[in-house]
Amino acid sequence: NAGVTQTPKFRILKIGQSMTLQCTQDMNHNYMYWYRQDPGMGLKLIYYSVGAGITDKGEVPNGYNVSRSTTEDFPLRLELAAPSQTSVYFCASKIQGGAGNTIYFGEGSWLTVV
Amino acid sequence: AQSVAQPEDQVNVAEGNPLTVKCTYSVSGNPYLFWYVQYPNRGLQFLLKYITGDNLVKGSYGFEAEFNKSQTSFHLKKPSVLVSDSALYFCAVRPGYSSASKIIFGSGTRLSIRP
Repeated sequence: NAGVTQTPKFRILKIGQSMTLQCTQDMNHNYMYWYRQDPGMGLKLIYYSVGAGITDKGEVPNGYNVSRSTTEDFPLRLELAAPSQTSVYFCASKIQGGAGNTIYFGEGSWLTVV
Repeated sequence: AQSVAQPEDQVNVAEGNPLTVKCTYSVSGNPYLFWYVQYPNRGLQFLLKYITGDNLVKGSYGFEAEFNKSQTSFHLKKPSVLVSDSALYFCAVRPGYSSASKIIFGSGTRLSIRP
């Protein structure tokens, strides 16, 4: 049971390039999330999904896209990278239902846009 | 507006001393409260949570937190800290009757334990 796995761990992008951050979980969780963490800040929600085929915007969705074709996978796409997207990205998941259920986080992906 | 505040960016404590990391919140309904810890270059790890019941919640690694409804606080505590407790600590709250997305994180408190 690996939990939430993110790849890549580190990436440097040039302005205008595109890339996909991969996220997969093996806990059969229905809810999945993408957060970004900027220095000295808390986590900001980018997108979330409550199940396969269902996605919705969070607080800071601009410049990103997601898809959820399977329960396990929730990739995050950056189409035209900008320096403002330099951040640490965390994928997370939790079992469906229950407002108090614990969210499980991946190890993070460090992205630098130059 | 709903929010979570961690008023201390950094807390410095000598090893063996007690610890309190502060967290206050402003949300509607009965909140669900969480503490997470983040070690360098790692993801967030769950420490403990308050859903209902006893106001003192015990969690991993000897940490505990006290829910105080009148003061809208959920301070993290540990009676005797270790150097290995040095990390970044996040308070998070999910407002009552909220949607799947509505989990608010504080800005984090960096804990530094000196030997």
